[in-house]
Amino acid sequence: EVQLLESGGGLVQPGGSLRLSCAASRFTFSSYAMSWVRQAPGKGLEWVSVISESGGSTYYADSVKGRFTISRDNSKNTLYLQMNNLRAEDTATYYCTNPRHPGSSWYNYYGMDVWGQGTTVTVSS
Amino acid sequence: DIVLTQSPGTLSLSPGEGATLSCRASQSVSSSYLAWYQQKPGQAPRLLIYGASRRATGIPDRFGGSGSGTDFTLTISRLEPEDFAVYYCQQFDSSPPMYTFGQGTRLEIK
Repeated sequence: EVQLLESGGGLVQPGGSLRLSCAASRFTFSSYAMSWVRQAPGKGLEWVSVISESGGSTYYADSVKGRFTISRDNSKNTLYLQMNNLRAEDTATYYCTNPRHPGSSWYNYYGMDVWGQGTTVTVSS
Repeated sequence: DIVLTQSPGTLSLSPGEGATLSCRASQSVSSSYLAWYQQKPGQAPRLLIYGASRRATGIPDRFGGSGSGTDFTLTISRLEPEDFAVYYCQQFDSSPPMYTFGQGTRLEIK
């Protein structure tokens, strides 16, 4: 069974940093774009960032641009999210997921069909 | 940026009934880029529908998607107890790549 396992969440003070990881197993990791989606407590889903299969292209939601950096290590089947200058409004459960873009083309989209269980980030003093 | 508005906010129905959930976009969306997800408490979202009407792997045929342009619909025929959850629509914009979710519809047992 395909699995994504997030880690690295925790409690951090405003202005602090945290790095999330997402380990993929039974999954041809290097063949998929990967993304982070977050969910604040009791709220809806918010897309955060996406990275292409090779890691050469990255895109961010305006709410995190300039503060968060997405990256990947295909040799380790692992996705990362470096979060700097954290704010209270970044408090959320962070999920990694694979937006399916067949043919490695942004012009094809088949939804996000594999999700991790999430890791919780709390930004508070 | 495109905004997705889902209605109703909460839908109260009984098992066995049919459900109709709406997703309206602030501007036209390619139906190829419209997806629906189900989320139960404490769980990650689950892909139900992509391409507006294509069921994801393993999704029962009581789930159906339709629509085009700015109006999309998720229908669930013959509600089962496990169908009571929150449902989100999502659209993808390719240039630049970005993903937008609706605010969700809570489907609760009446």
